[in-house]
Amino acid sequence: DIQVTQSPSSVSASLGDRVTITCRASQNIGAWLAWYQQKPGKPPKLLIFAAFRLESGVPSRFSGSRSGTDFTLTISSLQPDDFATYYCQQANSFPWTFGQGTKVEVK
Amino acid sequence: QVQLQESGPGLVKPSETLSLTCTVSGDSITNYHWSWIRQSPGKGLEWIGYIYYSGTTTYNPSLKSRVTISVDTPKNQFFLRLSSVTAADTAVYYCARDGSGGYGKFDYWGQGTLVTVSS
Repeated sequence: DIQVTQSPSSVSASLGDRVTITCRASQNIGAWLAWYQQKPGKPPKLLIFAAFRLESGVPSRFSGSRSGTDFTLTISSLQPDDFATYYCQQANSFPWTFGQGTKVEVK
Repeated sequence: QVQLQESGPGLVKPSETLSLTCTVSGDSITNYHWSWIRQSPGKGLEWIGYIYYSGTTTYNPSLKSRVTISVDTPKNQFFLRLSSVTAADTAVYYCARDGSGGYGKFDYWGQGTLVTVSS
């Protein structure tokens, strides 16, 4: 299976901060990576697919990038609604796998 | 608006079979691939498998020997059966739509249903 390793596992940040979360794939997955946001008691919500494509309706403060097998989710200016857990997911090959999550907390 | 709703027993005994239904509204089940995904504190998010309306399935090899996903196109529903369950199968189970034609982009999710395996 392809492993996707997220870092950090948690980050403390303040409103307006720039937040960066990284996901590293254990092998080449091309651009087949998605990012999700999850809040307690809710299902994950798709933010970005194909490494950098913003899902319809998602604020433009969210962006994704790729460098080889390293992928980054950036929140350019943290808003109150952004405190949540974020997951990456590779869709290059079966079985599709998820990262372990990064919790964005209030500093 | 596309909506998915999971239903089924919240408690299953060890060694028995877990059975869940996902009812899709606002879209035809014939248009996309449909997945089951589970989430537990110990294993995080785990993709279980998907089905296309034709009946074509792909399963996670770690669960393949115990999983069956099926579809009822007229009822716009798809189903999960997981046999010989143990406590390790306790999780929140989600159904989700793959909006990318089988390329793993989960754009709509059900609210999830907690299934506990316990005697």
